[in-house]
Amino acid sequence: DTGVSQDPRHKITKRGQNVTFRCDPISEHNRLYWYRQTLGQGPEFLTYFQNEAQLEKSRLLSDRFSAERPKGSFSTLEIQRTEQGDSAMYLCASSLKGQPQHFGDGTRLSIL
Amino acid sequence: AQKVTQAQTEISVVEKEDVTLDCVYETRDTTYYLFWYKQPPSGELVFLIRRNSFDEQNEISGRYSWNFQKSTSSFNFTITASQVVDSAVYFCALSVNAGGTSYGKLTFGQGTILTVHP
Repeated sequence: DTGVSQDPRHKITKRGQNVTFRCDPISEHNRLYWYRQTLGQGPEFLTYFQNEAQLEKSRLLSDRFSAERPKGSFSTLEIQRTEQGDSAMYLCASSLKGQPQHFGDGTRLSIL
Repeated sequence: AQKVTQAQTEISVVEKEDVTLDCVYETRDTTYYLFWYKQPPSGELVFLIRRNSFDEQNEISGRYSWNFQKSTSSFNFTITASQVVDSAVYFCALSVNAGGTSYGKLTFGQGTILTVHP
């Protein structure tokens, strides 16, 4: 059973640049979630998909953030015009509907 | 809105001591799940347990046990005879069946850093 895979593991970029992260869920899982975790805090929900439909978005997800899951398999999270406050660990999780979520290792974003 | 509070920011124990991690939650929903996750230094969140709101039976799994009390809105986690490998950040989380979404997002507490010294 291959776990949730996230790429890249670490991204360093300059303020104002765009970044895109990828998440590959566990193959049979129809739900995919994105969370953000800052140092010393618990993960905060950003958005989630059931198959290709985006079912919920947090108010944390400003208009600079967009997420897609075009074929109901992998997902991408894009941040446009990055800001210092975007520095965080971005976590992806997947699950079957109504079942516990399984998390990837995360992508750590550092804004210079 | 949902809220999860883990009042203990850090706990330090010596190996073989028992330790209890506290979790208090708030929700107006009557149908919900409670979770505990472990985040070791490597960073990946590891699922430990899920309990639904209708099942207040305590659960034991090896050295781990969980005490769910709806009357006090608490879901506490005890590690018996702690080991150095138990050192990690532990998160309590809540998911509700709001609007028939069948338990979507997780609301996490702030986490408790557990350090077990040899």
